[in-house]
Amino acid sequence: NAGVMQNPRHLVRRRGQEARLRCSPMKGHSHVYWYRQLPEEGLKFMVYLQKENIIDESGMPKERFSAEFPKEGPSILRIQQVVRGDSAAYFCASSPQGASYNEQFFGPGTRLTVL
Amino acid sequence: ELKVEQNPLFLSMQEGKNYTIYCNYSTTSDRLYWYRQDPGKSLESLFVLLSNGAVKQEGRLMASLDTKARLSTLHITAAVHDLSATYFCAVDHSGGGADGLTFGKGTHLIIQP
Repeated sequence: NAGVMQNPRHLVRRRGQEARLRCSPMKGHSHVYWYRQLPEEGLKFMVYLQKENIIDESGMPKERFSAEFPKEGPSILRIQQVVRGDSAAYFCASSPQGASYNEQFFGPGTRLTVL
Repeated sequence: ELKVEQNPLFLSMQEGKNYTIYCNYSTTSDRLYWYRQDPGKSLESLFVLLSNGAVKQEGRLMASLDTKARLSTLHITAAVHDLSATYFCAVDHSGGGADGLTFGKGTHLIIQP
């Protein structure tokens, strides 16, 4: 049973370019979460999605960031016009629908570097 | 706003010693999670604590939850080098179902021979 998959693992972009990060949840999981981790910091929640729905985007910056989880295919976190401050590790997590508690399983992360 | 504070943030200890990491949180929650992260790696789930008084143990690690005090502890017994990592606690404040987790800043643990 494959775990949460993320790609790419490393991404380098120049300022002003777009970054697209992909996440495939664990088989049977329908909840997807995106987190950002700055160096020497804990993870900060960004957005929580279910298939075709954004449930909670309270942690997403208001501009340049968007997320989707289409009916088919992986969840995508999109960052437009990247700036140096976007450099971070972005983790995706998933959890199963209907679980009585919220244990989340994390992917390996995408390390974004903005030059 | 839910706040989660861990202490200490850095801990260097010798093999064979015991120590405790503390995790305080600011609002009512019955669900607390401990994760481990090795450098450059993802997070590995260690413990899920779901009620007041919950205690779980795995090897040299034991976690407990006191919801009245809004405090969880991660106790390390007779530390070994392999336990060197960063440990995070996280709190789920949704009260039920799924929601984003709020993490502490992590405790960087170095265990020296």
